[in-house]
Amino acid sequence: SAVISQKPSRDICQRGTSLTIQCQVDSQVTMMFWYRQQPGQSLTLIATANQGSEATYESGFVIDKFPISRPNLTFSTLTVSNMSPEDSSIYLCSVPGHGGLSGYTFGSGTRLTVV
Amino acid sequence: AQSVTQPDIHITVSEGASLELRCNYSYGATPYLFWYVQSPGQGLQLLLKYFSGDTLVQGIKGFEAEFKRSQSSFNLRKPSVHWSDAAEYFCAVATTGNQGGKLIFGQGTELSVKP
Repeated sequence: SAVISQKPSRDICQRGTSLTIQCQVDSQVTMMFWYRQQPGQSLTLIATANQGSEATYESGFVIDKFPISRPNLTFSTLTVSNMSPEDSSIYLCSVPGHGGLSGYTFGSGTRLTVV
Repeated sequence: AQSVTQPDIHITVSEGASLELRCNYSYGATPYLFWYVQSPGQGLQLLLKYFSGDTLVQGIKGFEAEFKRSQSSFNLRKPSVHWSDAAEYFCAVATTGNQGGKLIFGQGTELSVKP
């Protein structure tokens, strides 16, 4: 299965600022997914990042707040913009397995605290 | 709409006892089902998956799960729990297959293990 390097692993940010999270995959993948895990909650899909096209956002998430870049098949970034304390969460990227033989792989997550 | 329900938010079992974590899904087509485990401060680790074939699937760490289409269930079991199994467990369904569908997660079940 793919290996994902996600960074930063954690950050503490001031409200009103922005943070960009990076995910690097060791192989080419068509789709990458970005999830949010609020404290004590499950994972919620933010958007699907497609190479060469706009990301597809889930209900409740908008591009102005969570802009995504996908410049190539191995890399993606998620920016959390104009942060407020409610954005304090763990953010994870994920890619599907290859050939149906492995499950989805997740990055180690970015633990964001907004103060 | 696709959904996953984990009825039990928190379960406590004694070490050495058997375990069953419940998962029910709602999905119109053939589901691709997963169980993930998240230890405190750790990323998500795939325990097992079901795509087709034998409805009883074996995973890592001694876990198994049984797919029951008639009950729309995919319950996770372990015959003898170890203290290191204490973690959060998530059931998930892939919406359009392993090749690129997004994952929909259940709410999670927190497992505590008593000595």
